[in-house]
Amino acid sequence: TQLLEQSPQFLSIQEGENLTVYCNSSSVFSSLQWYRQEPGEGPVLLVTVVTGGEVKKLKRLTFQFGDARKDSSLHITAAQPGDTGLYLCAGAASNDYKLSFGAGTTVTVRA
Amino acid sequence: DAGVTQSPTHLIKTRGQQVTLRCSPKSGHDTVSWYQQALGQGPQFIFQYYEEEERQRGNFPDRFSGHQFPNYSSELNVNALLLGDSALYLCASSRDAEQFFGPGTRLTVL
Repeated sequence: TQLLEQSPQFLSIQEGENLTVYCNSSSVFSSLQWYRQEPGEGPVLLVTVVTGGEVKKLKRLTFQFGDARKDSSLHITAAQPGDTGLYLCAGAASNDYKLSFGAGTTVTVRA
Repeated sequence: DAGVTQSPTHLIKTRGQQVTLRCSPKSGHDTVSWYQQALGQGPQFIFQYYEEEERQRGNFPDRFSGHQFPNYSSELNVNALLLGDSALYLCASSRDAEQFFGPGTRLTVL
């Protein structure tokens, strides 16, 4: 059972469209991280959010941490084929050293 | 500056055998965590090493053990391999809350 629920599980869109991936939990996290993973490779850290209500932008990617620090979203504007990959959210609870991961959202951007 | 490195890249073993996976952390990082990622799932935490001690352990049996060396590199050992141990094994290094992952070792148990 995943502590973090991600939705949707799969997302296939045309180049230039926008997309949003959601990450929800009933638990409070002291920090939440988003990773992107290519097939057969390790996850690559995209961003870390730590403050409730925080919004971070990384070029065409916008990350938001919920006010209660239980949920987060990743929004991609004008998606490109290079954005294709598995997007994983991972949370760290206070007094906990491990990351708890969601099952991931597989994003496919068609040219 | 090299990132997290892992060896070997791929490994094929048979049931009942033992395996050792290796990880070198990113420069400046003193903490190493190990995760198991089954196909189609997110990584699951195995354990974390800090100051050569196991600091936290996930829900994995005692067949999974590890070690951290004075240079912060780490090994993951799995004994009595089962078919279900087939997965991508990821090592992550950190100095604070952010964990940076290596490319992983793909273990196949036949």
